[in-house]
Amino acid sequence: DTGVSQDPRHKITKRGQNVTFRCDPISEHNRLYWYRQTLGQGPEFLTYFQNEAQLEKSRLLSDRFSAERPKGSFSTLEIQRTEQGDSAMYLCASSGTGGPSPLHFGNGTRLTVT
Amino acid sequence: GQQVMQIPQYQHVQEGEDFTTYCNSSTTLSNIQWYKQRPGGHPVFLIQLVKSGEVKKQKRLTFQFGEAKKNSSLHITATQTTDVGTYFCAGLATGNQFYFGTGTSLTVIP
Repeated sequence: DTGVSQDPRHKITKRGQNVTFRCDPISEHNRLYWYRQTLGQGPEFLTYFQNEAQLEKSRLLSDRFSAERPKGSFSTLEIQRTEQGDSAMYLCASSGTGGPSPLHFGNGTRLTVT
Repeated sequence: GQQVMQIPQYQHVQEGEDFTTYCNSSTTLSNIQWYKQRPGGHPVFLIQLVKSGEVKKQKRLTFQFGEAKKNSSLHITATQTTDVGTYFCAGLATGNQFYFGTGTSLTVIP
């Protein structure tokens, strides 16, 4: 299967710790997105890459959040000094070139901050 | 900032009944996409609408994009238990940032 892969599936951490998530997009997709979803809500945009360039970043993303896509392939999302409010499902999606195209989501990483 | 609202938030229907969810944007959209998320799953792309007034059908599902490109709807005819899930619209205004709606959770009672 060559879908979007995310690792880990689940992460439990204590408040104040740093966490890092990884996303491997569909290989031929040059666009990569990070979203956050809490229970009963729609996915909330965090950031977007085209190849290795981070082109858009949500104003809601605090300076504790950082994302990278160093070689234009996989991406990492790091949260520093986690807070309980960071508990959510973190979804990665990728899409192809050209005009707006479908987002292909991974299964997500569920973060629980205790 | 851009907001995309969906109504209703929840809908319970008897199997065989129809279902409609409505999506409204505070700004004009260049296109809109619809996704379905099964319980415990991730959003899965259903369709994309681009043109003003566009209507697309997928079997029992009918999707519409409003004339003003600020609203959209998804209608399911004769629901089945396999239709259970949360349906999201996602609007694109400018750039590449899709704003997801609040979702409509559909429960189908056998």
